[in-house]
Amino acid sequence: GAGVSQSPRYKVAKRGQDVALRCDPISGHVSLFWYQQALGQGPEFLTYFQNEAQLDKSGLPSDRFFAERPEGSVSTLKIQRTQQEDSAVYLCASSRDGYRGEQYFGPGTRLTVT
Amino acid sequence: AQSVTQLDSQVPVFEEAPVELRCNYSSSVSVYLFWYVQYPNQGLQLLLKYLSGSTLVKGINGFEAEFNKSQTSFHLRKPSVHISDTAEYFCAVILDDKIIFGKGTRLHILP
Repeated sequence: GAGVSQSPRYKVAKRGQDVALRCDPISGHVSLFWYQQALGQGPEFLTYFQNEAQLDKSGLPSDRFFAERPEGSVSTLKIQRTQQEDSAVYLCASSRDGYRGEQYFGPGTRLTVT
Repeated sequence: AQSVTQLDSQVPVFEEAPVELRCNYSSSVSVYLFWYVQYPNQGLQLLLKYLSGSTLVKGINGFEAEFNKSQTSFHLRKPSVHISDTAEYFCAVILDDKIIFGKGTRLHILP
């Protein structure tokens, strides 16, 4: 079956632009996670959804970052007024049962802010 | 602050030799522990996990890890590596419903 997909795979944005990153989780997975992975680092947690409810957004680095999952499937991570420090790979993962379940990761979106 | 430490950023090892990738975490309470692997140009995938029960956990591709509560460690081992094991390996810990990843260890297999 299809895995987690993310689009676009690569995004170049000028500083100050808004970007939207899309995640299509595995069908039927109720849990969805977003991570930010800087070069040479491990993934850092951004936010977590259970169906359409955003249960934890404590990892979002600033109020320029916003995530939604309105129908409990596809999710979008939006970054407003991008800054150079936002350059990273943004990973999406889904699982059947929250944190304790196996998370299935997408290939990531590499965002470069110039 | 709670943390996960992977001391080795890179580990070179000859093909068919054994390998151990180290992971330590800082917590005195119950934790859930994971190892994920990222092959070149692929997404992360789960190697193995410890939630409870036996402290020796077996995963895919011949890997295993042992949970040591007294040493707060969850080291990953394989008795004989193959060139196909070339990848980056991430240890992850769930503490208080927060998931924390280590910085990763890049495994280089030498011919």
